[in-house]
Amino acid sequence: KAGVTQTPRYLIKTRGQQVTLSCSPISGHRSVSWYQQTPGQGLQFLFEYFSETQRNKGNFPGRFSGRQFSNSRSEMNVSTLELGDSALYLCASSVTTDRAHSPLHFGNGTRLTVT
Amino acid sequence: QKEVEQNSGPLSVPEGAIASLNCTYSDRVSQSFFWYRQYSGKSPELIMSIYSNGDKEDGRFTAQLNKASQYVSLLIRDSQPSDSATYLCAVNPGGNKLVFGAGTILRVKS
Repeated sequence: KAGVTQTPRYLIKTRGQQVTLSCSPISGHRSVSWYQQTPGQGLQFLFEYFSETQRNKGNFPGRFSGRQFSNSRSEMNVSTLELGDSALYLCASSVTTDRAHSPLHFGNGTRLTVT
Repeated sequence: QKEVEQNSGPLSVPEGAIASLNCTYSDRVSQSFFWYRQYSGKSPELIMSIYSNGDKEDGRFTAQLNKASQYVSLLIRDSQPSDSATYLCAVNPGGNKLVFGAGTILRVKS
């Protein structure tokens, strides 16, 4: 079974630009969560989508947005990039949104560098 | 107080020893607990989950949970250099939320 696939693996952008990251979940998984990982803050939850609807959202500004398609694939968008947005962005899929019994499976991440 | 706390390490153990990784959490209603391993430059990988007080063993790994003390730990027996990684503790305080600790760096020296 193929794992979670994230594209691209690496991105370099300049301040003020916008970026779109893509995630294909494990087959049969309908929930997709996005996390930001930085050395100082660790793993920070961005949002979760299930059945094309955002079900949960973390404490990030509105510049961070996402969506999910009918085939469960998801994209996240960051507009007006800031230097502090440089991070590893991780997508994780799970069967359901029940975190108690439906563990997250992570993709390899997209390394975003903002200059 | 952070929701999930871990000692950042690094924790250094000799090859063959037992590595003990600890995690405390603040939300008493938390019911589900997970340990992820993350190699440098890679994504987190789920290695253990535990839901009930006591011990849960899987190969060389044992997860221990004490809800009264709000404490969960991971023991790695017969530690190998390939176990060197960052270990992330994650807690589900209810609903569809999962909170991660900052992780403990483990170094196993041969």
